[in-house]
Amino acid sequence: KNEVEQSPQNLTAQEGEFITINCSYSVGISALHWLQQHPGGGIVSLFMLSSGKKKHGRLIATINIQEKHSSLHITASHPRDSAVYICAVRSVGTGTASKLTFGTGTRLQVTL
Amino acid sequence: DGGITQSPKYLFRKEGQNVTLSCEQNLNHDAMYWYRQDPGQGLRLIYYSQIVNDFQKGDIAEGYSVSREKKESFPLTVTSAQKNPTAFYLCASSMPGTASGYGYTFGSGTRLTVV
Repeated sequence: KNEVEQSPQNLTAQEGEFITINCSYSVGISALHWLQQHPGGGIVSLFMLSSGKKKHGRLIATINIQEKHSSLHITASHPRDSAVYICAVRSVGTGTASKLTFGTGTRLQVTL
Repeated sequence: DGGITQSPKYLFRKEGQNVTLSCEQNLNHDAMYWYRQDPGQGLRLIYYSQIVNDFQKGDIAEGYSVSREKKESFPLTVTSAQKNPTAFYLCASSMPGTASGYGYTFGSGTRLTVV
């Protein structure tokens, strides 16, 4: 079993729909990252969370430390949101280096 | 603008040849990382460096080597000992201990194909 599990693996939505991507992890963490990878391969950091909730534009990320679970929500989805969304965690006790453990990603396709 | 530059974007090499992937950052970050991405798998850590002239093996270091002679640069060499080198390689950097905490920046990646 992977330390970081994402669901769903693939998601197709129509423009305007509310989207939720889930991430569960099995280790103690000091931070959780949500990342976006576009078809060209480059990765953009969307959020880094250690507790609670963060919002940026149409994106909302939440984390429940007790349940070891995080969600990424996209409101009013748009075709430009089509990408792979990756959850990654920084385990407790990794020292000063911020080594991350990654989920396998959720491929989102938003259609008109 | 500050960021990470990886070059080249695409690289083709013959089997048995060593190849070096470049990673440069102008973010003044102390830590740098190399990850490998294969289809259907999460990114896996190859090597990381917390400070100049120091680096540590990650989870899949066999067949790879790195150097960190300058803070800005962390090149990765894929040697002929790497059994399955065709993959997408991502470089990243972070600045531990900042107010924003362990923020991460990624490069745009290099896709290596060995034929």
